[in-house]
Amino acid sequence: QSALTQPASVSGSPGQSITISCTGTSSDVGSYNLVSWYQQHPGKAPKLMIYEGSKRPSGVSNRFSGSKSGNTASLTISGLQAEDEADYYCCSYAGSSPYVFGTGTKVTVL
Amino acid sequence: QVTLRESGPALVKPTQTLTLTCTFSGFSLSTSGMCVSWVRQPPGKALEWLALIDWDDDKYYSTSLKTRLTISKDTSKNQVVLTMTNMDPVDTATYYCARTFFGENFDYWGQGTLVTVSS
Repeated sequence: QSALTQPASVSGSPGQSITISCTGTSSDVGSYNLVSWYQQHPGKAPKLMIYEGSKRPSGVSNRFSGSKSGNTASLTISGLQAEDEADYYCCSYAGSSPYVFGTGTKVTVL
Repeated sequence: QVTLRESGPALVKPTQTLTLTCTFSGFSLSTSGMCVSWVRQPPGKALEWLALIDWDDDKYYSTSLKTRLTISKDTSKNQVVLTMTNMDPVDTATYYCARTFFGENFDYWGQGTLVTVSS
């Protein structure tokens, strides 16, 4: 199972919106509505930000939103803030080898 | 309050077997839908899912590592154990355990434990 493809880096100014893509295949992202997104600050454990493609856990800011089209899922951060600077990973259920993570995206707030 | 904590050796030698323990609280692995996974992250690299065990003692493994991994649980102790055989320097990573509910996402994570493989 190959890792899902994410851009290595995305940047934006405070207040702007950015979108991180996560491209898989018809065997993972395209087949299941089970894409989740994780935020990871340096030296910290990942934190669940989006699940089932577009749902937010309690306590996660509504500035974070998720969507999916075909084999590509996306995470949008609106009203970018300094605290959003972190690494972001997507993950998809993939059936036989159940989970595959993305390659990771470093978000920089300019 | 759900918490998970990984424990195990910080240093192992090549060819040795690694044994990691995840001790958790705030939920029971005998509850329908509850699962615990192991995920690792080499320094500066991406997350990689390794294995999952569910409430019914079903086990799932990464296709690329399944010959080297064994996952087990002790429900009475609220622990999940992962063993990985034939360790190699490329297995140097921070190893995390995480809770999964019905296998849909990883909603709670431990703080991770760094394992270095070196002679």
